[in-house]
Amino acid sequence: NAGVTQTPKFRILKIGQSMTLQCAQDMNHNYMYWYRQDPGMGLKLIYYSVGAGITDKGEVPNGYNVSRSTTEDFPLRLELAAPSQTSVYFCASSYSQGAKEQFFGPGTRLTVL
Amino acid sequence: DQQVKQNSPSLSVQEGRISILNCDYTNSMFDYFLWYKKYPAEGPTFLISISSIKDKNEDGRFTVFLNKSAKHLSLHIVPSQPGDSAVYFCAASADNDMRFGAGTRLTVKP
Repeated sequence: NAGVTQTPKFRILKIGQSMTLQCAQDMNHNYMYWYRQDPGMGLKLIYYSVGAGITDKGEVPNGYNVSRSTTEDFPLRLELAAPSQTSVYFCASSYSQGAKEQFFGPGTRLTVL
Repeated sequence: DQQVKQNSPSLSVQEGRISILNCDYTNSMFDYFLWYKKYPAEGPTFLISISSIKDKNEDGRFTVFLNKSAKHLSLHIVPSQPGDSAVYFCAASADNDMRFGAGTRLTVKP
């Protein structure tokens, strides 16, 4: 099993550009999550999904969109990149709400200039 | 609002000694607590967890203690090894809401 994979590993965007961060998992997990980690801060939840076709906002959803068309994939979309979105983004998945342990991908380091 | 706080950004211990990492939380609705370990350029990996109905959970060299009245948990690593050097995140959850602390960087010196 590859676990949770994320692409790209690094990306530099100009203000106003858009991009999609890809996330995939091969563990047949229902729950998937997107977090961002700013320097010196903990991870903050952006969006999560409890299954294909179902998504919900987390703590810091503004400026982002998600979709969940399949169990495996959970892409994160930035429509109009802003410097405040410079961060490291982590995707994670878990078996269910009752299984609290989350499996994380390696992260995407995004810089918006 | 920081609902989960790790007040020590860093900790340095000698190999073989005990490492104690601390975490405080403010939301009494949290019912499950976890510790994650993170190496550079990797995602966090799950280390150990504890439910709010317990006050201690042990897994090999790692023990987590929960003091609900003080809203405090701690991770003990005994004995500490150089390979334990990493950033440790405390997390607390209630339903689908998972909150993380800012992390403590542990350095274990040989």
